[in-house]
Amino acid sequence: AQKVTQAQTEISVVEKEDVTLDCVYETRDTTYYLFWYKQPPSGELVFLIRRNSFDEQNEISGRYSWNFQKSTSSFNFTITASQVVDSAVYFCALLNTGTASKLTFGTGTRLQVTL
Amino acid sequence: GAGVSQTPSNKVTEKGKYVELRCDPISGHTALYWYRQSLGQGPEFLIYFQGTGAADDSGLPNDRFFAVRPEGSVSTLKIQRTERGDSAVYLCASSLTSGLAGTDTQYFGPGTRLTVL
Repeated sequence: AQKVTQAQTEISVVEKEDVTLDCVYETRDTTYYLFWYKQPPSGELVFLIRRNSFDEQNEISGRYSWNFQKSTSSFNFTITASQVVDSAVYFCALLNTGTASKLTFGTGTRLQVTL
Repeated sequence: GAGVSQTPSNKVTEKGKYVELRCDPISGHTALYWYRQSLGQGPEFLIYFQGTGAADDSGLPNDRFFAVRPEGSVSTLKIQRTERGDSAVYLCASSLTSGLAGTDTQYFGPGTRLTVL
């Protein structure tokens, strides 16, 4: 069985602060993919990043960075110098190649960035 | 290009009625997925299509729920005898391929908010 845990329900930060959103996953498969999606107040899930289980290189995209550690089954997401527009619910998701491509989502972390 | 579109954006119905929710995937995407998102939760998988066939419908909660994709493009999720517990946002996603040969990223539509009174 697969499971994704996002222990942080809500985080509030002041603009320009850095913030890290945690994601811990469980899977028995050796081949899998991890994703982060952003869900702004409009409701649409916006794809942010995808990593496969064989690539543990960290990734940076502008103010966003991701830290994938297989040893701790974690795939954490850091926003540097947060902005009000980053306010949204962020979901971590797991895809096992053996389960017909269905995503297993965590419960999400609501990020509130204030001025 | 155009993203995944879903209609209607909002649907209010009465308990016991029948509803249809429509999804138009990204052009050229062969895989289509339906998820359901309850308040404060992450999306939960319902069903996925590869082409016209339902390759995995293990997430459908019961036989009141049914989905079709007759021409391999647009899909309709059908709910019979709606119950108040069916109230949720129904999300559709599409990807280029799916299954073992493809683990392409799923792109989501804006969802249909279903409210059953």
